[in-house]
Amino acid sequence: AIQMTQSPSSLSASVGDRVTITCRAGQGIRNDLNWYQQEPGKAPKLLIYDVFRLHTGVPSRFSGSGSGTDFTLTISSLQPEDFATYYCLQDYNFPWTFGQGTKVDIK
Amino acid sequence: EVQLVESGGGLVQPGGSLRLSCAASGFSVANNYMNWVRQAPGKGLEWVSVIYTGGSTFYADSVKGRFRISRDNSKNTLYLQMNTLTPEDTAVYYCARDDLAYWGQGTLVTVSS
Repeated sequence: AIQMTQSPSSLSASVGDRVTITCRAGQGIRNDLNWYQQEPGKAPKLLIYDVFRLHTGVPSRFSGSGSGTDFTLTISSLQPEDFATYYCLQDYNFPWTFGQGTKVDIK
Repeated sequence: EVQLVESGGGLVQPGGSLRLSCAASGFSVANNYMNWVRQAPGKGLEWVSVIYTGGSTFYADSVKGRFRISRDNSKNTLYLQMNTLTPEDTAVYYCARDDLAYWGQGTLVTVSS
């Protein structure tokens, strides 16, 4: 299975901050990389698919980049509703694998 | 509007079986690939299984041989048959469409004596 390593595992930030989360794949996964947001007690939501494509309704402050094995999720200006846990997912091959998650909380 | 509603979770003893259901509306499960994803209490997400439109299925190594994914197109419902359950299978189970673009609210499965 392809291991997905996210960093950091947690971070504290303030409203308005620029936040960057990285995800490294154990092997090349082309552009088969998605990002999800999960608020406590709720189901995850798709934010970005295929590295950089925004899912319907996702605010433009979210962006994704990267290729091969290294990928980044950026929130350009953190909003109160963005405090949550974020996961990357590779759907390049089976079994699909998630990163361990990055919890973003209030500084 | 795409909606997914899971049901069938509950408390089951180790070694027991359970079948989860995921009722879909706003689209056809026959025309989309469908997944199960789980999340153990306080832990991260784990992809469990997928069924493609043609019927091909794939599983996580942790459930292979014990779980079976299926669908009933006439009922527009996805299923997960879970056998030989262990405490490590305790989790909230979510169904999700395509590349996990749409999710249900989840159903809790607890395996304990």
